[in-house]
Amino acid sequence: NAGVTQTPKFRILKIGQSMTLQCTQDMNHNYMYWYRQDPGMGLKLIYYSVGAGITDKGEVPNGYNVSRSTTEDFPLRLELAAPSQTSVYFCASSYLAGSTDTQYFGPGTRLTVL
Amino acid sequence: AQRVTQPEKLLSVFKGAPVELKCNYSYSGSPELFWYVQYSRQRLQLLLRHISRESIKGFTADLNKGETSFHLKKPFAQEEDSAMYYCALSLLSGGYNKLIFGAGTRLAVHP
Repeated sequence: NAGVTQTPKFRILKIGQSMTLQCTQDMNHNYMYWYRQDPGMGLKLIYYSVGAGITDKGEVPNGYNVSRSTTEDFPLRLELAAPSQTSVYFCASSYLAGSTDTQYFGPGTRLTVL
Repeated sequence: AQRVTQPEKLLSVFKGAPVELKCNYSYSGSPELFWYVQYSRQRLQLLLRHISRESIKGFTADLNKGETSFHLKKPFAQEEDSAMYYCALSLLSGGYNKLIFGAGTRLAVHP
């Protein structure tokens, strides 16, 4: 199993451009998450999904959109990129929603907006 | 509000020395706590969870509800323990597993 995969690994955007960060998991997990990590800070939840067709906002959703058309894929869309969105983005998945369940993380995408 | 605090950004020790990475949390309910680790060029992964009361790679962590702490300890550090360590508080919120992360502590173990 590849686990959780993310593409691209790195990206530089100009202000106002848009892009999609891809996330795929092959563990048949229902729950998927997008986090961002700013320098010196912990991870903050952007959006999450409890299954195909169901998504909801996390702590910091502004400037982002998501969709979940399949169990495997959970892309994150940035519209009108801003310097404040410069961050490392992590996708994660888990099998259950239980508080003791493990979240499995992707390798991250480092995004710079200039 | 729920919060996780890791007061040290960097902890630097020599090989064989004891290690304690501090984690304090703020939560009025019954906490579920985890330690995640990120080794160089690897992805974030679960190290241990308090409910399992396990020892992983020689690390242990005890939940102290009185002090609202979940410090990570290892009696003898190894160079391969060098990594970023994140303490996380798990809550069930709106039907999903919400993880609140601390800012992380970088552990550097020197030969």
